[in-house]
Amino acid sequence: SAVISQKPSRDICQRGTSLTIQCQVDSQVTMMFWYRQQPGQSLTLIATANQGSEATYESGFVIDKFPISRPNLTFSTLTVSNMSPEDSSIYLCSVDSGPSYNEQFFGPGTRLTVL
Amino acid sequence: GESVGLHLPTLSVQEGDNSIINCAYSNSASDYFIWYKQESGKGPQFIIDIRSNMDKRQGQRVTVLLNKTVKHLSLQIAATQPGDSAVYFCAEKETGAGSYQLTFGKGTKLSVIP
Repeated sequence: SAVISQKPSRDICQRGTSLTIQCQVDSQVTMMFWYRQQPGQSLTLIATANQGSEATYESGFVIDKFPISRPNLTFSTLTVSNMSPEDSSIYLCSVDSGPSYNEQFFGPGTRLTVL
Repeated sequence: GESVGLHLPTLSVQEGDNSIINCAYSNSASDYFIWYKQESGKGPQFIIDIRSNMDKRQGQRVTVLLNKTVKHLSLQIAATQPGDSAVYFCAEKETGAGSYQLTFGKGTKLSVIP
């Protein structure tokens, strides 16, 4: 399985500011994913990031609010823009890995609190 | 019971007993399923997976059962230990649809009583 790290692990931000979350993988992967997990709830996919192409966003998520970069096969960033308290969540990066590329492995998450 | 908002279903089990965590999935076309364990403050950890051409798969102390007729998945943990305390999520995927998306269930919180 891939080893995934995220920075920062947590942050407290002011309303109206933006935060960029980094995701680093220890091996080259085709697909990287960004999820949101609101307190006490399940995971919701924000977008899928392929290297060299625009990210694909799920319903309810837009590029202006959650711009994503994928400059190479081991790294991605997610920016949470113009934050409001409703953006307070855990943001998780995951990658397709394993022999059949169906398994997804997750990073430790970034816990964001917006005041 | 069903979870709404912040209230996850909770399963309390005595240490050493077996645990059974259930999941109802939504897409009859899903053909790949995963169970994840999420400890407090951590990301989900892959436990075991199963494909739709199987009814049962066993791992170390864990067994996953799949009933496609009623769209039901279960995770059995043998000899539950305090370290098994976590939130468990099932996830489903339709691998033939060209999508990479995993759809997650609501989660069940497992509490192990020492």
